[in-house]
Amino acid sequence: NAGVTQTPKFRVLKTGQSMTLLCAQDMNHEYMYWYRQDPGMGLRLIHYSVGEGTTAKGEVPDGYNVSRLKKQNFLLGLESAAPSQTSVYFCASSYPARTEHEQFFGPGTRLTVL
Amino acid sequence: AQRVTQPEKLLSVFKGAPVELKCNYSYSGSPELFWYVQYSRQRLQLLLRHISRESIKGFTADLNKGETSFHLKKPFAQEEDSAMYYCALRASPDSWGKLQFGAGTQVVVTP
Repeated sequence: NAGVTQTPKFRVLKTGQSMTLLCAQDMNHEYMYWYRQDPGMGLRLIHYSVGEGTTAKGEVPDGYNVSRLKKQNFLLGLESAAPSQTSVYFCASSYPARTEHEQFFGPGTRLTVL
Repeated sequence: AQRVTQPEKLLSVFKGAPVELKCNYSYSGSPELFWYVQYSRQRLQLLLRHISRESIKGFTADLNKGETSFHLKKPFAQEEDSAMYYCALRASPDSWGKLQFGAGTQVVVTP
């Protein structure tokens, strides 16, 4: 049981390049989330999904797109990377039947945009 | 809109001393509050949830609705408590489990 996994662990991009971050979970969770973590700002929600085929915007969605084609996978895309998107990206998942909605996090992806 | 404030960016304490991490929130409804912790080279994980009223690793946190606070406390800090701590708020049962995080407090426990 791997929990939540993220690919890749590290990436360096040049301004204007595109990339996709992959999040996978094997816990059969309905809900999945993408956050970015920046010093002094905590974790901010980028996009989230409440089920296969559904996505919604979070607090800081600009410059990102997401897709949830399979229940276990949640992809985060950067179409044209900017230095402001340098951050650590965390994926999380949760199971709605549990009222506390504990979120389980992946190990993070450290992205640098030059 | 809800907001979570953690006023201390860094908290440095000696081993065996009490530690208190402050968390204040603003939300007009009835919130659910959590503390998440991130140890060095580990992933973020749930430490406490107010609804459970439990003590984990010696930490406790009480939701004070009058003061809109959810401070995290431990009477005797240990070196293994060194970590980044985040207070988080879940706004309502209809929020799809979304969490609003504070900026985090880095705790350093020195021997």
